[in-house]
Amino acid sequence: SYELTQPSSVSVSPGQTARITCSGDVLVKKYARWFQQKPGQAPVLVIYKDTERPSGIPERFSGSSSGTTVTLTISGAQAEDEANYYCYSGADNNRIFGGGTKLTVL
Amino acid sequence: EVQLVESGGGLVQPGRSLRLSCAASGLTFDDYAMHWVRQTPGKGLEWVSGISWNSDSIDYADSVKGRFTISRDNAKNSLYLQMNSLRTEDTALYYCAKDIAGDIAETEFDYWGQGTLVTVSS
Repeated sequence: SYELTQPSSVSVSPGQTARITCSGDVLVKKYARWFQQKPGQAPVLVIYKDTERPSGIPERFSGSSSGTTVTLTISGAQAEDEANYYCYSGADNNRIFGGGTKLTVL
Repeated sequence: EVQLVESGGGLVQPGRSLRLSCAASGLTFDDYAMHWVRQTPGKGLEWVSGISWNSDSIDYADSVKGRFTISRDNAKNSLYLQMNSLRTEDTALYYCAKDIAGDIAETEFDYWGQGTLVTVSS
């Protein structure tokens, strides 16, 4: 079965660029999605099809892809961006989430 | 605005049953496949089950196959999860999640509910 691997934590200072990676063989053939989850809240979609941003998501959120790795980039991270971020991809009836990355902005 | 509201969680003993519900609004419910996803501190997010718009396609994670049953009532804009033979490892926050398409072949979530907590313990 497929796996998606994320770093457990990333820390940046306010205004800096945060980059969160997600790696897995499935990403060569399937798009990834990124979800933001703040404590006590439901996950919110921030990136789909590797690079597309849903309406209402700030422009500082962007996605990129290279081979077996996708990257969520938050340019000029703000305190409100502190959250857990999960990547997701589905292929061959496998629906897989990454383990999540806790982003700290301080 | 799409809203998904789960209910039915609670404390239940191992081996017992529980039925979760998800009430949907702000969307044409019978256009979309729907899913249940659970979250635990130890295992993170885990897809549990999905059902196509017309209930023709249904799938389950291996961990719940044979114990859980997903269903929907399009007339009531509602999704359900019947959970039987519950185990302690089923303890989790259960989310209802909407797919972007009508079928479950290419599962892609967009909107999620707030979740309902299921605790399986004696």
